[in-house]
Amino acid sequence: AQTVTQSQPEMSVQEAETVTLSCTYDTSENNYYLFWYKQPPSRQMILVIRQEAYKQQNATENRFSVNFQKAAKSFSLKISDSQLGDTAMYFCAFMLISQGAQKLVFGQGTRLTINP
Amino acid sequence: KAGVTQTPRYLIKTRGQQVTLSCSPISGHRSVSWYQQTPGQGLQFLFEYFSETQRNKGNFPGRFSGRQFSNSRSEMNVSTLELGDSALYLCASGVYWTGEETQYFGPGTRLLVL
Repeated sequence: AQTVTQSQPEMSVQEAETVTLSCTYDTSENNYYLFWYKQPPSRQMILVIRQEAYKQQNATENRFSVNFQKAAKSFSLKISDSQLGDTAMYFCAFMLISQGAQKLVFGQGTRLTINP
Repeated sequence: KAGVTQTPRYLIKTRGQQVTLSCSPISGHRSVSWYQQTPGQGLQFLFEYFSETQRNKGNFPGRFSGRQFSNSRSEMNVSTLELGDSALYLCASGVYWTGEETQYFGPGTRLLVL
């Protein structure tokens, strides 16, 4: 079974700082996707960034980037120039592609607070 | 494109009752998945439907069931509600076999069981 571990339950940084959220996962499979989702107080789950396991290049989306280390099964999220609107729960998620079936396995989340 | 919609957004029920939640996926998406989110257990996968067929099921009792219609809209039903069923129920829609597999979430339905 696949598992996802987020070792930082809470983090807090000042506005404009850079912050890195950690995520490790466990799988024996080779073909999968990794995601970071953001859940603000509204509880809406918002896709932040996506990484295909077969791609060596790390994904980036504006101020968000990942450091994907496949051999180490590590998938960290870096937020540059953090903004107050980045305050949210962040979930790392793993999706195995198996015969077309999709299922996300989530970590326990990291509560990120951006302070003014 | 319009996003994933879920109705109702809030529900209050009493123990023993049943409830039906609805989800409309993004236009063109044929996969719908359901997740339960609670403070204690986090986000847990319930089931996934594609073309009206359940493709995958999580580890939940038979009181939790679902279905998908020909227009890809999905419903999930919980019978004989228990206090522990109080949760945020999230629906996600996605595409298959495109190399762009991703799940996009709706706003959720908050269920409170009294």
